[in-house]
Amino acid sequence: AQTVTQSQPEMSVQEAETVTLSCTYDTSESDYYLFWYKQPPSRQMILVIRQEAYKQQNATENRFSVNFQKAAKSFSLKISDSQLGDAAMYFCAYRVVGSQGNLIFGKGTKLSVKP
Amino acid sequence: NAGVTQTPKFRILKIGQSMTLQCTQDMNHNYMYWYRQDPGMGLKLIYYSVGAGITDKGEVPNGYNVSRSTTEDFPLRLELAAPSQTSVYFCASREDRLNTEAFFGQGTRLTVV
Repeated sequence: AQTVTQSQPEMSVQEAETVTLSCTYDTSESDYYLFWYKQPPSRQMILVIRQEAYKQQNATENRFSVNFQKAAKSFSLKISDSQLGDAAMYFCAYRVVGSQGNLIFGKGTKLSVKP
Repeated sequence: NAGVTQTPKFRILKIGQSMTLQCTQDMNHNYMYWYRQDPGMGLKLIYYSVGAGITDKGEVPNGYNVSRSTTEDFPLRLELAAPSQTSVYFCASREDRLNTEAFFGQGTRLTVV
């Protein structure tokens, strides 16, 4: 079974500092996508960043970057220069290429940003 | 751009009542999904559809039904509501190409009392 594990229920970071959220996954598939979604109190699910498993280069989107370790099945999210607006739930998610395309989610990490 | 629209945003049901959660998207996406999010948990797939007239069960389908008569609409029906169905429900849609992201509605918070 494919599973996604986020081992940090809550994290806290000082404004302007850097924080890393952890995610591991279990799969026997070789071709898949990985995602980080942000869910602020408004409940809206917002895509932060995605990574194709066949790409060795780590994805980057402005202050957000990932450390993708395919052999270790690890996919961590680094947020640099943290801002108050980064406070939210963060979900790691996985999707197999060529399937019906549904996402498999971790339980989430609640990130607090201290001013 | 409306994207994915869910109605209602909030609802309180009594045990045994039925209701339909509406979901519509204006992006001409073939793939549509219903997820539920329980407190402290990630989203779990209830049902999905790969096109009009085609639906299939996800991980947690018991107590729910869906239909897909048009590309735009994918309603979720709750029959005989139970307290275990108290949750936040999300509808999502996606293009049926390989590397595309899912777009989510804003969710429906449902409480069954």
